[in-house]
Amino acid sequence: GAVVSQHPSWVICKSGTSVKIECRSLDFQATTMFWYRQFPKQSLMLMATSNEGSKATYEQGVEKDKFLINHASLTLSTLTVTSAHPEDSSFYICSASWASSSTDTQYFGPGTRLTVL
Amino acid sequence: QQQVKQSPQSLIVQKGGISIINCAYENTAFDYFPWYQQFPGKGPALLIAIRPDVSEKKEGRFTISFNKSAKQFSLHIMDSQPGDSATYFCAASDSWGKLQFGAGTQVVVTP
Repeated sequence: GAVVSQHPSWVICKSGTSVKIECRSLDFQATTMFWYRQFPKQSLMLMATSNEGSKATYEQGVEKDKFLINHASLTLSTLTVTSAHPEDSSFYICSASWASSSTDTQYFGPGTRLTVL
Repeated sequence: QQQVKQSPQSLIVQKGGISIINCAYENTAFDYFPWYQQFPGKGPALLIAIRPDVSEKKEGRFTISFNKSAKQFSLHIMDSQPGDSATYFCAASDSWGKLQFGAGTQVVVTP
């Protein structure tokens, strides 16, 4: 149980275009989803936290107009990288948890590799 | 500012040996301490987790030791296997549920 999927697994786009990444909880209802980015050989950095039906809360230094997050249902959250540039190239990972869980466990998706040319 | 400090950055252990990774934190509001395993190009997978009311937790070959007074916790991998070669992250969260990750430890298990 507690499976999280992401789509696409990798994407290459041209500079200036927008890219949408989907995160789905397959076998549970995710009241909270988190988005992270990870650069090579580095740790995960939290970008934002989203609760179903609410606006996302962004971490300090993360541009909310550049990284649009939508959590429209209990099983789906999307991250849109707008006007992508080469410095946005990274590994984007989502995670999900649910309010009724007795722990704070976050279950992670497999990640999406974004390359901006 | 990294709220969870992890060491070592990397370690090499022989097959059958013990891998030990240490983490320290400052924020006493943290009340949940998971360890994640990550293979290249994959998302992190939960390995084992502990809460501060317990000093040790064991699941198979993986053991967490927790020292609340020292604000330290560690992961021990017993009988290390080549398949354990991965990057391991400690993390901590408070009641808000946001995880703070350590910098990661790359473990290489030699045959």
